[in-house]
Amino acid sequence: DAGVIQSPRHEVTEMGQEVTLRCKPISGHNSLFWYRQTMMRGLELLIYFNNNVPIDDSGMPEDRFSAKMPNASFSTLKIQPSEPRDSAVYFCASSSQGVYEQFFGPGTRLTVL
Amino acid sequence: GQQVMQIPQYQHVQEGEDFTTYCNSSTTLSNIQWYKQRPGGHPVFLIQLVKSGEVKKQKRLTFQFGEAKKNSSLHITATQTTDVGTYFCAGVRGGNMLTFGGGTRLMVKP
Repeated sequence: DAGVIQSPRHEVTEMGQEVTLRCKPISGHNSLFWYRQTMMRGLELLIYFNNNVPIDDSGMPEDRFSAKMPNASFSTLKIQPSEPRDSAVYFCASSSQGVYEQFFGPGTRLTVL
Repeated sequence: GQQVMQIPQYQHVQEGEDFTTYCNSSTTLSNIQWYKQRPGGHPVFLIQLVKSGEVKKQKRLTFQFGEAKKNSSLHITATQTTDVGTYFCAGVRGGNMLTFGGGTRLMVKP
């Protein structure tokens, strides 16, 4: 199994630009999570999907952030417009129903100048 | 909401010394998980504890879940340079969602 796949691995953009992060969960997993990791705030859950449906988005910082999961094998996290304080490592993770172990992707390191 | 605190934030040890990180939750946990993140890497699942007072071992790593299910610890015996990384505890809430502690960064001097 290839594991959770994220792209791009690194993204450098300028303030005000739109950023789209992509995730392919492990085949057969029906739970998907987006996390943000910073030195100041640690590892924060942004949004949780189950069977492609958003279950909890209370961690999404503000309306500039949106996430979609159009099918079981693909999810996106979009930031529009991006700001310097959005600079962080964004992880996608997936897990199986009833099995709580989460498998993390390699992350996307986002730098907003 | 649920808060999970970890101490210490950082720990420097000499190779061969023991290491312990402690995790405390503001609420009773159904389960607790532990993850390890190597420098520049992503969190990797180590173990899940479910029962009150549970103790589990993985080679040199010993994990404990408190009797009240509000605290947990990870102890590493005779650290090695391969143990370097940040260790996170995470409380399980609402189905599959996790609340991560701040992590303990372990540095091992050879």
